[in-house]
Amino acid sequence: GENVEQHPSTLSVQEGDSAVIKCTYSDSASNYFPWYKQELGKRPQLIIDIRSNVGEKKDQRIAVTLNKTAKHFSLHITETQPEDSAVYFCAAPRGKSSGSARQLTFGSGTQLTVLP
Amino acid sequence: EPEVTQTPSHQVTQMGQEVILRCVPISNHLYFYWYRQILGQKVEFLVSFYNNEISEKSEIFDDQFSVERPDGSNFTLKIRSTKLEDSAMYFCASSVQAGVYGYTFGSGTRLTVV
Repeated sequence: GENVEQHPSTLSVQEGDSAVIKCTYSDSASNYFPWYKQELGKRPQLIIDIRSNVGEKKDQRIAVTLNKTAKHFSLHITETQPEDSAVYFCAAPRGKSSGSARQLTFGSGTQLTVLP
Repeated sequence: EPEVTQTPSHQVTQMGQEVILRCVPISNHLYFYWYRQILGQKVEFLVSFYNNEISEKSEIFDDQFSVERPDGSNFTLKIRSTKLEDSAMYFCASSVQAGVYGYTFGSGTRLTVV
């Protein structure tokens, strides 16, 4: 099955600096890598995702990079703001092949704190 | 924007009691999921459901748990004989297509077993 490792577990940055969170996965067949942001007591919300046929995807201040050979993917947040403070989870699919309701395996999460 | 709705938002139950957590997936979605998150920990998969049957389930989803889609809109998780360690946030999710694309999570039910 899929195993997803996420680092670091906590990350503090000054407002305006960049933040990078990294994840590795074990299943070479995984083809989709979402990132979720979870504020305290709320649901995980998808902020960006990448499919295995691309190496990088950007959406304003957020970007995700994927290295299929090394089986790792990273979340990059530039020009961080206090409202970026939250727990960020990476995830990768596991289970049956396409056509079924596949489950997500989540990383252990990174508590990002943006200091004003 | 369409949402996955969960009720109740918070449930307190006595150990050994049965609870039913309810979810209304997005109306045109076909694939349904339950996840749980123990406080301060990662989100863990419980079960997926498609075409009125379980597609996959995790080791956590033992005989104590069951899921049902009793009508065209609701998707329920039943926990029989709750234990203290069942205390967690339970998230329902749905997607319109196979795989994990377009996953939407509900707002969650916080279950507290006392």
